[in-house]
Amino acid sequence: ETGVTQSPTHLIKTRGQQVTLRCSSQSGHNTVSWYQQALGQGPQFIFQYYREEENGRGNFPPRFSGLQFPNYSSELNVNALELDDSALYLCASTLRAGVDEQYFGPGTRLTVT
Amino acid sequence: KNQVEQSPQSLIILEGKNCTLQCNYTVSPFSNLRWYKQDTGRGPVSLTIMTFSENTKSNGRYTATLDADTKQSSLHITASQLSDSASYICVVTSGATDKLIFGTGTRLQVFP
Repeated sequence: ETGVTQSPTHLIKTRGQQVTLRCSSQSGHNTVSWYQQALGQGPQFIFQYYREEENGRGNFPPRFSGLQFPNYSSELNVNALELDDSALYLCASTLRAGVDEQYFGPGTRLTVT
Repeated sequence: KNQVEQSPQSLIILEGKNCTLQCNYTVSPFSNLRWYKQDTGRGPVSLTIMTFSENTKSNGRYTATLDADTKQSSLHITASQLSDSASYICVVTSGATDKLIFGTGTRLQVFP
């Protein structure tokens, strides 16, 4: 166990709906990153939060948005869901981005029908 | 373009045998290279992290090597076990952005 938790474990949504995924980082970790992993692919970087501010973003449209709270937990929001949004969504926390170990949560499996 | 490529895409071996997975990258500037093990439907778990100055690093039966000149890395698994069945992902950190760039992984299956 890495100490990073995510909820929910699984989720089924309909195209056009909105979804919120949650992540609790490992104690003391102030940096959280979110990734999208399609079946059979490596994780793709969505964005990173450091001390409640967005600190880098991958090639994802604005309908993917996030939030980090003072306790460093985080949310990923996706609006206007599309079928291609079906994937495993991973969050990872670390103390120093790019330097220290990055600990991943178990992921949220999102299915869009 | 910063890329990380892995080979083979998939691999089947018998329990007890050794295997080596390959990773080539074009990320520049380079900060560090990581190998992760990911069980199906689970989050990746770190095996090793290597910086520019490290040639090899071991974690139990897993040994990673790095050749920063040729931009190649390998992960060697010794005396494979059924529990080694997973995807192994090579990840390179960009020295410019501190962001992690993931390979697509090698799917390893170990059979008895």
